[in-house]
Amino acid sequence: SQQGEEDPQALSIQEGENATMNCSYKTSINNLQWYRQNSGRGLVHLILIRSNEREKHSGRLRVTLDTSKKSSSLLITASRAADTASYFCATEKYGNKLVFGAGTILRVKS
Amino acid sequence: KAGVTQTPRYLIKTRGQQVTLSCSPISGHRSVSWYQQTPGQGLQFLFEYFSETQRNKGNFPGRFSGRQFSNSRSEMNVSTLELGDSALYLCASSLLGGERNIQYFGAGTRLSVL
Repeated sequence: SQQGEEDPQALSIQEGENATMNCSYKTSINNLQWYRQNSGRGLVHLILIRSNEREKHSGRLRVTLDTSKKSSSLLITASRAADTASYFCATEKYGNKLVFGAGTILRVKS
Repeated sequence: KAGVTQTPRYLIKTRGQQVTLSCSPISGHRSVSWYQQTPGQGLQFLFEYFSETQRNKGNFPGRFSGRQFSNSRSEMNVSTLELGDSALYLCASSLLGGERNIQYFGAGTRLSVL
């Protein structure tokens, strides 16, 4: 079963705009990760944030984690058409067992 | 370094048959995990192998099984296929097999059960 919800389910924006996706989860975690998937292919790891961290940056990505609210957000700044994909959050409590959210489908229009 | 390789990429089987999927992890990675992705249930964890031992198992029936070889390559087997087993099966490898490790995914095997 999935850990939680992602919001929104789908997002359509213009190139150059920012995209924000949210993820909520249910249990305590060791870390939370974000992955991208293009057209039903394999997942690509984007960023990992540990439970004792509140914010992390990687290039155009910014991730926040609020363990008290059991939620995270992923911000993609200055979106490009190539960012069009599905984005999943995944929580890890122990032992490489990732529990994924339902995902957000992002479409960036050029 | 070569990425995670899954074979075959596509499979078509009929109900009642069995199927074996293969995964070659990134060189040096000892942990291999398997996931099932369907439109209805999303991405679900099947099991994880580390040093030829199953360490974690998801909530799937016993028809789903796996193994890992001494070179870290892994196979998963699904017996007595059902229509609902149609899915994208993803394999992921990681370096140490513990917490806080990034998982690297293969392109997946798309299984269609007719």
